[in-house]
Amino acid sequence: DIVMTQTPLSSPVTLGQPASISCRSSQSLVHSDGNTYLSWLQQRPGQPPRLLIYKISNRFSGVPDRFSGSGAGTDFTLKISRVEAEDVGVYYCMQATQLGYTFGQGTKLEIK
Amino acid sequence: EVQLVESGGGLVKPGGSLRLSCAASGFTFSSYSMNWVRQAPGKGLEWVSSISSSSSYIYYADSVKGRFTISRDNAKNSLYLQMNSLRAEDTAVYYCARVLGDPDAFDIWGQGTMVTVSS
Repeated sequence: DIVMTQTPLSSPVTLGQPASISCRSSQSLVHSDGNTYLSWLQQRPGQPPRLLIYKISNRFSGVPDRFSGSGAGTDFTLKISRVEAEDVGVYYCMQATQLGYTFGQGTKLEIK
Repeated sequence: EVQLVESGGGLVKPGGSLRLSCAASGFTFSSYSMNWVRQAPGKGLEWVSSISSSSSYIYYADSVKGRFTISRDNAKNSLYLQMNSLRAEDTAVYYCARVLGDPDAFDIWGQGTMVTVSS
C-alpha cells in the first residue's frame, strides 16, 4: 500500500495568519490515466470528514477560496491563506490513485 | 439534499456479526461507486471496502478481507457492510462515502455509525 506521511502532526496558528500542511506519498500518485488522485479532507470535532480539495488543487463545491492545494508526484501541500476559527480540526490527505486507498495520519490545526 | 445515513452499529461480542446499512438520497445512487471507511476512537481514517456502481468491482482492505462483505441494492438506494468474525480492533465509527469520480476523492460522507466489539 502507498504510505501517506503528513507534517506537521500539530499546527498551532494565530487567527488571520496562514497555515500550511505537507503530505508526502511513498510512491508517485500519478495514475495511468494521467491524473493525480490526491485529495484533502477536513474533520471538525465531532463531525464526519468533509472534502476540501480533489486532484491536488481543485476546490470542492462550497469550499472557501482561502483553501488551496498544490504539488505533484509525491509531494503535496494544503494552504490556508488566513485561518479562521471554524478551520479548527484535523486535516487528512488521501490517495485514490492505487487501490488500498490510504490516508495520512492527520494534522491537528488549533488556534494559538 | 445529497445525503448518506448509516445505521446498524452497536455493541457486539468478539466473534459476532453485524450488518451496517447506508441509505442514500438526493442523487442517482446507481451511478456512483461507494466505500466504507472507519475511524477507531481517537485515531485516523482507514479505508475498508469499495464497490462499483453495478457491483462488478469489489475491493477490501487486507485487515477485513474474508470477514467483511460489501454489497448494494440500487433499487433501494442502499449500501451494506456485513461484518463477521468481529474483533476488538474492528471497534470504530464506520462511515459510508461516495466517490466523486472513478477513481477519485470521496465527496459525500455520512455521519457514521459506531461499532463496538467487546465482551
